Amino acid sequence: DAKTTQPPSMDCAEGRAANLPCNHSTISGNEYVYWYRQIHSQGPQYIIHGLKNNETNEMASLIITEDRKSSTLILPHATLRDTAVYYCIVWPHGSSNTGKLIFGQGTTLQVKP
Amino acid sequence: DTEVTQTPKHLVMGMTNKKSLKCEQHMGHRAMYWYKQKAKKPPELMFVYSYEKLSINESVPSRFSPECPNSSLLNLHLHALQPEDSALYLCASSQERGEDTQYFGPGTRLTVL
Repeated sequence: DAKTTQPPSMDCAEGRAANLPCNHSTISGNEYVYWYRQIHSQGPQYIIHGLKNNETNEMASLIITEDRKSSTLILPHATLRDTAVYYCIVWPHGSSNTGKLIFGQGTTLQVKP
Repeated sequence: DTEVTQTPKHLVMGMTNKKSLKCEQHMGHRAMYWYKQKAKKPPELMFVYSYEKLSINESVPSRFSPECPNSSLLNLHLHALQPEDSALYLCASSQERGEDTQYFGPGTRLTVL
């Protein structure tokens, strides 16, 4: 079972920041937070991941709370092409990792003009 | 370059047919994965290969037969499928099995008549 909870859907105006929350209250010390997105009928696309520090790349920023029980993915200037299902996944590093990514239901982000 | 390619993009087959799905990556990754995604559901892991050896089979029916001929190539052989096997089949790869980021291909949309 997925270890994360996300809102099923969100709307965002084009050009504005999209803030997608994720709850992972049972996260373990060796588990990273990963974000993927899936545009309709395409393969999931890796966005970003982090352990406890905030991370930023060319696609997005990831803000993880100090207690690591929740995180927020930020798309700074959403475009219509960012409309997708966004998955937040906790993913252990170390020998306990079998390679099995467990996707939850994700958040459907609709970016509107 | 994080490209994983999959062929064909679409496949329609009858229940008595034998067909194969192909996945290829040239990133030097040593782990490859098959996932299955039903409509409006998240992807679910089917198989994991590590260094060309099957390391995880998620209790997949024998009508699905994976094969890893070399480190760049992953096949999924299909035989005697049922209409409920219609889905998007996704291939992914990562540097090593486990904690490394998985990169997904675009998927093969399979319809079983």
